Amino acid sequence: SQTIHQWPATLVQPVGSPLSLECTVEGTSNPNLYWYRQAAGRGLQLLFYSVGIGQISSEVPQNLSASRPQDRQFILSSKKLLLSDSGFYLCAWSGSFDGREYFGPGTRLTVT
Amino acid sequence: AQTVTQSQPEMSVQEAETVTLSCTYDTSENNYYLFWYKQPPSRQMILVIRQEAYKQQNATENRFSVNFQKAAKSFSLKISDSQLGDTAMYFCAFSPGGTSYGKLTFGQGTILTVHP
Repeated sequence: SQTIHQWPATLVQPVGSPLSLECTVEGTSNPNLYWYRQAAGRGLQLLFYSVGIGQISSEVPQNLSASRPQDRQFILSSKKLLLSDSGFYLCAWSGSFDGREYFGPGTRLTVT
Repeated sequence: AQTVTQSQPEMSVQEAETVTLSCTYDTSENNYYLFWYKQPPSRQMILVIRQEAYKQQNATENRFSVNFQKAAKSFSLKISDSQLGDTAMYFCAFSPGGTSYGKLTFGQGTILTVHP
């Protein structure tokens, strides 16, 4: 069966520090991968998506970047965090077999 | 660009009763999909139900069903025989079809509380 992991689960970082959040998927190959952000417990906003290694599309101009160094690994990064980067970050994947999108457990980021 | 609107920030229902959550959307696409996701206090996103726009028949999953009105761009979720475990935030979401499938646009959510 397929599983999706995210780490860390919780992170507190000062303004101006770098960020690296990691997402990995097991049990499938060539998934589409997504990064979403949820601010203040409300709706999710798509930040990045990837259809393959090295292929990243940004949906919202911002202080963040994403990379996909391996087929089932998706990384969200920032060189210098802003207060507005605080939120709940969710990674998701989808395959072509059932049309469903599966979400990871999320990372709660607080920028202080 | 697509938009998804959930006009009910909060709803409550008594256990075993029925509740309907509203969702409207705006798109110029003909090929798209609609979803309802549930987010309990654990914050894990759980897919509740999925509807293909080209299907006229409303999707159902056990106690959950939708009323999909394509012309009105409305997609409501009905929860029958509500259970305490249904307490969660519910999100309506839109996905284009084709090569952009999976790029979800979410509504702002409705907090549902089921009372014993």
